[in-house]
Amino acid sequence: QKEVEQNSGPLSVPEGAIASLNCTYSDRGSQSFFWYRQYSGKSPELIMFIYSNGDKEDGRFTAQLNKASQYVSLLIRDSQPSDSATYLCAVSGLSGGYNKLIFGAGTRLAVHP
Amino acid sequence: DAGVIQSPRHEVTEMGQEVTLRCKPISGHDYLFWYRQTMMRGLELLIYFNNNVPIDDSGMPEDRFSAKMPNASFSTLKIQPSEPRDSAVYFCASSNRGLDYGYTFGSGTRLTVV
Repeated sequence: QKEVEQNSGPLSVPEGAIASLNCTYSDRGSQSFFWYRQYSGKSPELIMFIYSNGDKEDGRFTAQLNKASQYVSLLIRDSQPSDSATYLCAVSGLSGGYNKLIFGAGTRLAVHP
Repeated sequence: DAGVIQSPRHEVTEMGQEVTLRCKPISGHDYLFWYRQTMMRGLELLIYFNNNVPIDDSGMPEDRFSAKMPNASFSTLKIQPSEPRDSAVYFCASSNRGLDYGYTFGSGTRLTVV
């Protein structure tokens, strides 16, 4: 089982719709959860982080965390073509004896006009 | 702030050659990470430093890879000898808030070994 799992997509949504991106993780001890956006040919860019169960909103973005079910999600409201990118979920976890950020493979989002 | 600076942006080399990738972290950041990204394996942590000291190199693929951080403003990742399977994008990232907080990534070095 991969430590952080994401559906690779592509997830295709029409402009103006809500895009929902999901991520599950295996380490129950994980405390910190991050969403990065990566445009094609560019580096990952941090867009959201969440530490506590529940929702955290930042503009059009909402991160949701459910530690009991070991999943974290990202909602993008009023999706725009400029949101088209790969979204990487990253989870802090113990790996190889060290606490570190472990990245999922990413979900590719395509927002079409 | 100029962000995390990596060089070169692109590197094409022949199999067997030595390759050196360079990174300048954000000033004041005490953690530096080297990641490798491929389509097959995604983003993998190779090694990280804290206060210039290598802490965890368990992600380094094999002895052909080595990394150094001689001071707080410079790090290198060296591959010797390079192989075609080393072709990937190598990212450097830094942080001033520990291991489990968001990192700032550099622009990456796209390495192609032919």
